[in-house]
Amino acid sequence: DAGITQSPRHKVTETGTPVTLRCHQTENHRYMYWYRQDPGHGLRLIHYSYGVKDTDKGEVSDGYSVSRSKTEDFLLTLESATSSQTSVYFCAISGTGPGLIFGPGTRLTVL
Amino acid sequence: GENVEQHPSTLSVQEGDSAVIKCTYSDSASNYFPWYKQELGKGPQLIIDIRSNVGEKKDQRIAVTLNKTAKHFSLHITETQPEDSAVYFCAASNRDNAGNMLTFGGGTRLMVKP
Repeated sequence: DAGITQSPRHKVTETGTPVTLRCHQTENHRYMYWYRQDPGHGLRLIHYSYGVKDTDKGEVSDGYSVSRSKTEDFLLTLESATSSQTSVYFCAISGTGPGLIFGPGTRLTVL
Repeated sequence: GENVEQHPSTLSVQEGDSAVIKCTYSDSASNYFPWYKQELGKGPQLIIDIRSNVGEKKDQRIAVTLNKTAKHFSLHITETQPEDSAVYFCAASNRDNAGNMLTFGGGTRLMVKP
């Protein structure tokens, strides 16, 4: 997890409230990703970024938005959280090679 | 898009035995196949990867094999130890450089009994 942090690490919220998760890297890597992890589904890509202000949708982007105003920060926002968004969220970065480096994760519970 | 299937979902072995996890993929354009290990409460960590121009790759007790014709690849762990207990994920991508989009399998929970 060196060089990549996520905050908060745990969050409980109620249906309909907005939630923002933060990913911060100190590696100056160009690419950043948000994945969600659910039992039996592995990790599924929500959104990714290939540079400041350059983002695109992944496989499961509905209900999520992202922003990247600085190289080091990638924010994931749930505009109106639903129970189906209860999950563990992982941020990842990649630099010069194809391997991803994952953060420690954020466990989100939507009641 | 790409679809990656992983089997088995759980695997229990005795310490010292070998463990094999298998994955199949659907997109013939995929050319990069990494394996990740996830310990409890942590993010996945890359343990080994293979590119489509290679049939097998080894790193100490772990090895990965790739059969492009059959579109399947496997992770082999020999002389398993209790610290190998974790969840393992395979993945596939049609790019083998930075910025690739990985599609993951569903994961295998490996338990190594002392």
